[in-house]
Amino acid sequence: GNSVTQMEGPVTLSEEAFLTINCTYTATGYPSLFWYVQYPGEGLQLLLKATKADDKGSNKGFEATYRKETTSFHLEKGSVQVSDSAVYFCALSASSGSARQLTFGSGTQLTVLP
Amino acid sequence: GAGVSQSPRYKVAKRGQDVALRCDPISGHVSLFWYQQALGQGPEFLTYFQNEAQLDKSGLPSDRFFAERPEGSVSTLKIQRTQQEDSAVYLCASSLVGNSRTEAFFGQGTRLTVV
Repeated sequence: GNSVTQMEGPVTLSEEAFLTINCTYTATGYPSLFWYVQYPGEGLQLLLKATKADDKGSNKGFEATYRKETTSFHLEKGSVQVSDSAVYFCALSASSGSARQLTFGSGTQLTVLP
Repeated sequence: GAGVSQSPRYKVAKRGQDVALRCDPISGHVSLFWYQQALGQGPEFLTYFQNEAQLDKSGLPSDRFFAERPEGSVSTLKIQRTQQEDSAVYLCASSLVGNSRTEAFFGQGTRLTVV
């Protein structure tokens, strides 16, 4: 079946540090890949997505590239801010079957200190 | 409303009690999903509707869990004879169409605590 493995947290960084959160996946076919973010007290929000190999998703300074050869979708940001403190979830959506549900990783808690 | 709305936000149930959780999706969204999120974990799929049709209920953990979306809009997740292991946040998500590329919009969830 489909699965997502992401870097365990928590991760604590100083403001302006470089961020990488690793994510690898197992899936048949060509899934779409997503990063969702959950800010304190809020619901899950889509951060970025990529729907085919070598696509790069980007938003709010975050980037992730769909690497089919390594089955990875690592999240990066060059300079984090305190406001980026949240839980980040990597997820995939299968490309076949009747449903299009998301399969999530376990989440990575990021804390950015001023 | 502008987003997916879930109610109640918090629910405390005594073990053995039945509960009903409501989801109001974004107007016009065809697809509706329910997920269960245990503490410190990622959401796990429960069930999927396309309009009023429940096309996938493979994630429902037992026959105590039942979901419906009778008019293709509002959905209710019902849990009968709640048990402590049912304690979790229940998330509802909707999307415009049912394909793997479409963004799913999530509600804030209902936090269920079974005591």
